[in-house]
Amino acid sequence: GAVVSQHPSWVICKSGTSVKIECRSLDFQATTMFWYRQFPKQSLMLMATSNEGSKATYEQGVEKDKFLINHASLTLSTLTVTSAHPEDSSFYICSALTSGSYEQFFGPGTRLTVL
Amino acid sequence: AQSVTQPDIHITVSEGASLELRCNYSYGATPYLFWYVQSPGQGLQLLLKYFSGDTLVQGIKGFEAEFKRSQSSFNLRKPSVHWSDAAEYFCAVDMNSGYSTLTFGKGTMLLVSP
Repeated sequence: GAVVSQHPSWVICKSGTSVKIECRSLDFQATTMFWYRQFPKQSLMLMATSNEGSKATYEQGVEKDKFLINHASLTLSTLTVTSAHPEDSSFYICSALTSGSYEQFFGPGTRLTVL
Repeated sequence: AQSVTQPDIHITVSEGASLELRCNYSYGATPYLFWYVQSPGQGLQLLLKYFSGDTLVQGIKGFEAEFKRSQSSFNLRKPSVHWSDAAEYFCAVDMNSGYSTLTFGKGTMLLVSP
């Protein structure tokens, strides 16, 4: 149980295009989902927290107009990187939390490369 | 500022030897504490967690960790390391103790030598 999937697992795009990453909780309802960014050989940095049906809360320094987060259902959250640039290349990981739980379940991550 | 410190960037251990990975946090109260493992290009897998109670917690894959309040530490241990344990290990804390916002350490890369 408590499986979180991400799609795609990797994506390559041209500079200036937008990319959407999906995060799904497969066997539980995720009232809260988190999006992290991980640079090579570095730790995970929280980008934003999203609650189902509400606007996401972004961490300081994260551009909300560039990283659009939608959490429209209890099993799906999406992160859209708009007008991507090479500096947006990174490993993006989502996690999900169910109501009343303090344990986050992590997806396998999405490797984004912007050319 | 609140922080999580993993002082060792990488550690090499011989297969079969014991392992201890260090984690210290800076926070006024007792946070919720977690250890995760990440294999290359993969997401994170929870090894164990501490919320309250017994300060020695057992996890998966033979790992354990001990919470020491006086030292603000939550070190991860394993008595006998296997080659498959080679991975990156992250200590994380929930400093809001219930709001589930995790702060991660920078990670420790474990290398296992034959």
